[in-house]
Amino acid sequence: DTAVSQTPKYLVTQMGNDKSIKCEQNLGHDTMYWYKQDSKKFLKIMFSYNNKELIINETVPNRFSPKSPDKAHLNLHINSLELGDSAVYFCASSGRGNQPQHFGDGTRLSIL
Amino acid sequence: GENVEQHPSTLSVQEGDSAVIKCTYSDSASNYFPWYKQELGKRPQLIIDIRSNVGEKKDQRIAVTLNKTAKHFSLHITETQPEDSAVYFCAASTGGYQKVTFGTGTKLQVIP
Repeated sequence: DTAVSQTPKYLVTQMGNDKSIKCEQNLGHDTMYWYKQDSKKFLKIMFSYNNKELIINETVPNRFSPKSPDKAHLNLHINSLELGDSAVYFCASSGRGNQPQHFGDGTRLSIL
Repeated sequence: GENVEQHPSTLSVQEGDSAVIKCTYSDSASNYFPWYKQELGKRPQLIIDIRSNVGEKKDQRIAVTLNKTAKHFSLHITETQPEDSAVYFCAASTGGYQKVTFGTGTKLQVIP
């Protein structure tokens, strides 16, 4: 059983298109996150939701819009994709308090 | 906000030797310090963590030390093996809704 699953695993698309990445966790966690990992391997937080409410929104272009229909799901929609959006996007979840984060396998987004 | 610095960025050791990775943090309110290992093409996975009420924690060949006064913490890997080759990330969190700030990563290469 995959604890944090995200789809698709690979996403290749043209500049200017709109795409979505889905994430689901079956760990019963309250908090979910989206991270962007660039080619230099830096892990940068984009968004965090706690029980469907947005609690962290880093300096991310408003072309990126997260949506959490329930606490087990956190999806990421990206409008008007740009070359600089090429990266690996990781979804993660964690329990209450100081608990480790559990990451999904990542979605490798490539913009042509 | 929190700033986490991590050194070195790359580290090569001979199999069987020890490896040490160091991190410093800026926010004295940080109280949770996880370490993640990311193998090539895989997701980050927790290998060990330490909370601020503890100075040292050990798990087989891996140990973490924390100096709250100096605001630094370190990962120690003894008797390194080729399968320890990966990118290692330190992180710091203040708890609450748990914004976790990651270090910039250390690429460890264990030479057989």
